[in-house]
Amino acid sequence: IQLTQSPSFLSASVGDRVTITCRASQGISTYLAWYQQKPGKGPMLLVYSTSTLQSGVPSRFSGSGSGTDFTLTISGLQPEDFATYYCQNFNSFSTTFGQGTRLEIK
Amino acid sequence: EVHLLESGGGLVQPGGSLRLSCAASGFTFSDYGMTWVRQAPGKGLEWVSTISGFGSATYYSDSVKGRFIISRDNANNILYLQMDSLRADDTAVYFCAKLLGPSRVWDWFDPWGQGTLVTVSS
Repeated sequence: IQLTQSPSFLSASVGDRVTITCRASQGISTYLAWYQQKPGKGPMLLVYSTSTLQSGVPSRFSGSGSGTDFTLTISGLQPEDFATYYCQNFNSFSTTFGQGTRLEIK
Repeated sequence: EVHLLESGGGLVQPGGSLRLSCAASGFTFSDYGMTWVRQAPGKGLEWVSTISGFGSATYYSDSVKGRFIISRDNANNILYLQMDSLRADDTAVYFCAKLLGPSRVWDWFDPWGQGTLVTVSS
């Protein structure tokens, strides 16, 4: 299974609402997660099973989708949200990540 | 609080070997599968290997199968990655991570360590 994120690069302002898309090469039900990574740090789990917010993650983050098309939405960007975001899927054989979306301040 | 700390990275020549360690604390280590994920400089995330809680099941990506071995010491809460026959394209930051749910071998990864850099170069 391949995961393709779009866009690869996104420029936005504090307070904006942004959406990142992850498309799977075949149906994956709701087996999709989103991670945030800041420079020099390990990734942090934001959302899993498509729409379940990990404990401690602000409610401005939300996930949706099913099958092959999934989205991560950030409502009301905060300065600490500027980072790179990855989607992830697993099955009984391997784990796959999308290529990443870099979110920068406009 | 769960904490993961990787070590063992460094510079190694092509064809050489290196063993990475990941010291875990803050949870019952043997209850959880663990995984290694790597990130080449300026690139995205690539899953490397996963091991079950008691070490009876191991899984590898095609890119490392036959060269890398994942293992764990549950008495001392340490995860390992033995890397042999290293190649230039193995150069990356290697992260260890805990699987989200207990008694699973395929799951989301949370949390992650800060990573250790492996550079394969002559």
